[in-house]
Amino acid sequence: NAGVTQTPKFQVLKTGQSMTLQCAQDMNHNSMYWYRQDPGMGLRLIYYSASEGTTDKGEVPNGYNVSRLNKREFSLRLESAAPSQTSVYFCASSASAGTGGSDTQYFGPGTRLTVL
Amino acid sequence: AQSVTQPDIHITVSEGASLELRCNYSYGATPYLFWYVQSPGQGLQLLLKYFSGDTLVQGIKGFEAEFKRSQSSFNLRKPSVHWSDAAEYFCAVAGGSYIPTFGRGTSLIVHP
Repeated sequence: NAGVTQTPKFQVLKTGQSMTLQCAQDMNHNSMYWYRQDPGMGLRLIYYSASEGTTDKGEVPNGYNVSRLNKREFSLRLESAAPSQTSVYFCASSASAGTGGSDTQYFGPGTRLTVL
Repeated sequence: AQSVTQPDIHITVSEGASLELRCNYSYGATPYLFWYVQSPGQGLQLLLKYFSGDTLVQGIKGFEAEFKRSQSSFNLRKPSVHWSDAAEYFCAVAGGSYIPTFGRGTSLIVHP
């Protein structure tokens, strides 16, 4: 049981380049999330998807786009990378939306992105 | 709106000593509360969560946390710390929205 997987694990980009971070879960979860983690800032929500076919902005969506490709996969795209997007990116999933917040989130191992 | 504060950025303890990590939350009704642990280079893993019932919650790896409504707190405790407990610990709160808000984290350093 792989849980939540993310690719790539590491990436270095130049300013202005684009890339897509991939995330997949095999737990049949409905909800998926993208976070970024910066020193001293904790985790900040970029985008989330409550269910297949829906996506919504989180706290820090500027400069990012997402696609919920199917129930298993949720990708994050940087169209024109900037140094401020240097961060560790985590994908997470949880069983279902609308249950009042008690669901556990399951996290992937993260992607460490550097933008030069 | 919901928010969570972890007052301590770093905590240093000796192996075998007791541990308490502080967490204060803000939410108008009874919240859902979580503690997650992040080992170096890894994703977050759930330690324990509170959503109703007994205010003392037992988790994995010998951790426990106590929900105190009067103090808006959900502090994490462990009676005897092991070197492998060195990690980053995150408190999170979820209320009317199912999406949790995370604190900034507390880094635990364990001295031999």
